[in-house]
Amino acid sequence: DAGVIQSPRHEVTEMGQEVTLRCKPISGHDYLFWYRQTMMRGLELLIYFNNNVPIDDSGMPEDRFSAKMPNASFSTLKIQPSEPRDSAVYFCASSLARLAGERTDTQYFGPGTRLTVL
Amino acid sequence: GENVEQHPSTLSVQEGDSAVIKCTYSDSASNYFPWYKQELGKRPQLIIDIRSNVGEKKDQRIAVTLNKTAKHFSLHITETQPEDSAVYFCAASSDRGSTLGRLYFGRGTQLTVWP
Repeated sequence: DAGVIQSPRHEVTEMGQEVTLRCKPISGHDYLFWYRQTMMRGLELLIYFNNNVPIDDSGMPEDRFSAKMPNASFSTLKIQPSEPRDSAVYFCASSLARLAGERTDTQYFGPGTRLTVL
Repeated sequence: GENVEQHPSTLSVQEGDSAVIKCTYSDSASNYFPWYKQELGKRPQLIIDIRSNVGEKKDQRIAVTLNKTAKHFSLHITETQPEDSAVYFCAASSDRGSTLGRLYFGRGTQLTVWP
């Protein structure tokens, strides 16, 4: 398996532009998570999905952020309009809650997208 | 919800010494405690985990201990090497239906091992 795939790996944009980050989870996983990592705030959970349904989006900082998961193999995180304070590394992770009836919970992270908003 | 606190935020040790990182959690329903290692510029990766039905788990130079009564768990690294230098995150989760699958992370510990 190729692991969790994220694109782009780096994104530099200007304030006010729309940014779309993409994630392909590990095949068969039923949970997908979006995290944001900064020096100041550490690793923050933004939103997570179970079987393509959003479960908790309380970590989404404001209405400028939105996330979708149209199918089991693809998710997007969109920022519109982007601001300099959105600059961070955004990680997508996936997990399989149960394997053969037992909990697994291990989250596998993608390589991240480093976003810079000028 | 769950609150995980991690200490220290930075830790410097000499190569060959031991390193200990401690975490506390608030939700008594938490029963799964993984540790992730993140090297500079890389993604977090699971290095060891423990479930609440055991008190200690070892994997070569790494061990994790759990005290459910006190609600704390620790990562122990023995015979540290420069390649152990990284940020380490602890996390906790529970079987509670409303948060199943979610990990609550600590703020991380920057470990530096000096040669």
